[in-house]
Amino acid sequence: GEDVEQSLFLSVREGDSSVINCTYTDSSSTYLYWYKQEPGAGLQLLTYIFSNMDMKQDQRLTVLLNKKDKHLSLRIADTQTGDSAIYFCAESGNQFYFGTGTSLTVIP
Amino acid sequence: EPEVTQTPSHQVTQMGQEVILRCVPISNHLYFYWYRQILGQKVEFLVSFYNNEISEKSEIFDDQFSVERPDGSNFTLKIRSTKLEDSAMYFCASISGLARNEQYFGPGTRLTVT
Repeated sequence: GEDVEQSLFLSVREGDSSVINCTYTDSSSTYLYWYKQEPGAGLQLLTYIFSNMDMKQDQRLTVLLNKKDKHLSLRIADTQTGDSAIYFCAESGNQFYFGTGTSLTVIP
Repeated sequence: EPEVTQTPSHQVTQMGQEVILRCVPISNHLYFYWYRQILGQKVEFLVSFYNNEISEKSEIFDDQFSVERPDGSNFTLKIRSTKLEDSAMYFCASISGLARNEQYFGPGTRLTVT
C-alpha cells in the first residue's frame, strides 16, 4: 500500500504557529487532506488541497504542497489550546491512505 | 449541517460472536467507506462501496467481514466471528460523488472484543 508519514509529536506555545509535516508516496493522488481528531472523537475534515495547487489558505490554516518532493504541510497560525489534537494527513488515489498522525500539544 | 452517524458508540462482544456496526451516511452521498483505527495506530482503509457493491477492499477485509446497504439509508459492517485483534474504532465515511474532494467521517464505533 501507499506510505504516508508524519512526525508523531509537536509541542508549541499558545499564540505561536504550528507546522505539521507529511510525506506521501502516491504521485497519482488527486486530493490531499488534513483531518483533526480530538480525544475519543471521530475525524474532522479540516481542509484539503487539489494536487495541482501548491498552496491553500483557509482562515488560520495554510496548506502547502510540494508535489515534486511529495511533501504536504499544515500551518496553524496563532495556535490555541483548542487546537490540541491529533492531525492526520491523507491522500486519495483509489483509496484513502492516512498518515500515522501528529499529536499537537499546545502549551498555555 | 448534514453529518454521518454511527451506532452504537461502543460495542462490547465476546470472541467468536458476530457484530453489526451501523452507519447512516449523508443522504445524497454515493460512495461509502469503512475504516478502522486500532488504539494508538493509524487509520486503515477497510472497504469502499458504490452502486450497491464493493468497489475496493484492503487485505484486512477478509471473509470475516461483509458490508451491506439494506435500505436507502443504512450502511452496515458485519464481522462474523470476532477476534481479539478486531478491537478498534470503526469509522464510516461517505463522499458525494466522483470528485472525492470531501470525505465526511462518522464519530466512530468503539468495538471491544473480550
